[in-house]
Amino acid sequence: DAGVTQSPTHLIKTRGQQVTLRCSPKSGHDTVSWYQQALGQGPQFIFQYYEEEERQRGNFPDRFSGHQFPNYSSELNVNALLLGDSALYLCASSLVDLGPDTQYFGPGTRLTVL
Amino acid sequence: AQSVAQPEDQVNVAEGNPLTVKCTYSVSGNPYLFWYVQYPNRGLQFLLKYITGDNLVKGSYGFEAEFNKSQTSFHLKKPSALVSDSALYFCAVRDGWRTGFQKLVFGTGTRLLVSP
Repeated sequence: DAGVTQSPTHLIKTRGQQVTLRCSPKSGHDTVSWYQQALGQGPQFIFQYYEEEERQRGNFPDRFSGHQFPNYSSELNVNALLLGDSALYLCASSLVDLGPDTQYFGPGTRLTVL
Repeated sequence: AQSVAQPEDQVNVAEGNPLTVKCTYSVSGNPYLFWYVQYPNRGLQFLLKYITGDNLVKGSYGFEAEFNKSQTSFHLKKPSALVSDSALYFCAVRDGWRTGFQKLVFGTGTRLLVSP
C-alpha cells in the first residue's frame, strides 16, 4: 500500500459540467503531482503543487486548475468538461528534496464524461 | 524535451519463459529512467529506476532492467515469467532541471500477457 488515497473512485459527468477530484498524499510527503491517463495511453503530467503553489504545469488548458491545502492534500478541478476529458486521473506524492524518484501513485479516479 | 518510446503494444510469453519489455529513450544529459507496472483498476506501482552506476538494475518482484547507453535503451527483463506478471508496463524518464520540481514523462505502455 503506497499510502496515497484518491476520491472518488469513479464518477460520471456530462459535458459542460465541473468536477473536483481529491488526493491525500503519503504521510510525510509535501509535493503532489497530477497526471491524466487516457484510455490506451501513458499518464500525462498536468501540474504539480508544493507549499500550496503550482510549481510547474504540463500542456493542459486553463480549464484544469488545482489547489493544495496546508495539510498537503490536493484537489484537481476541471471546468467545462469535454468528452475528451474522460480518463483515469492519477495523483502522485513525493518529497520535494528527492523529486520524482520517490513518487508514489494513488489508485486513481476514473472520470467518464457523457 | 525528454521522451521514451515503447515500440511494442503487447508482449506475449509463456509462463516460465524469460520476458523482455522494450524501452528506448531520448534525453539531453544523463537519463533518469523508471519502470512502473499497472494492474487493472489500480494506480502505478514502482518497479525500478536507473540513476547512475551499474547498467543492470534490480527491482521488485524479480524484475531487472538493462541500461544500454550506446543503444539508448532501458529494457525490462525477468528470467522466468509468472501468470501474475500480466499487466500494463510503463517506461518513464525524469524531466526538468530544478531538483524537486521535476516530472515523469511516460511511454505509451506495453501490455504483457503471460499464458499458463
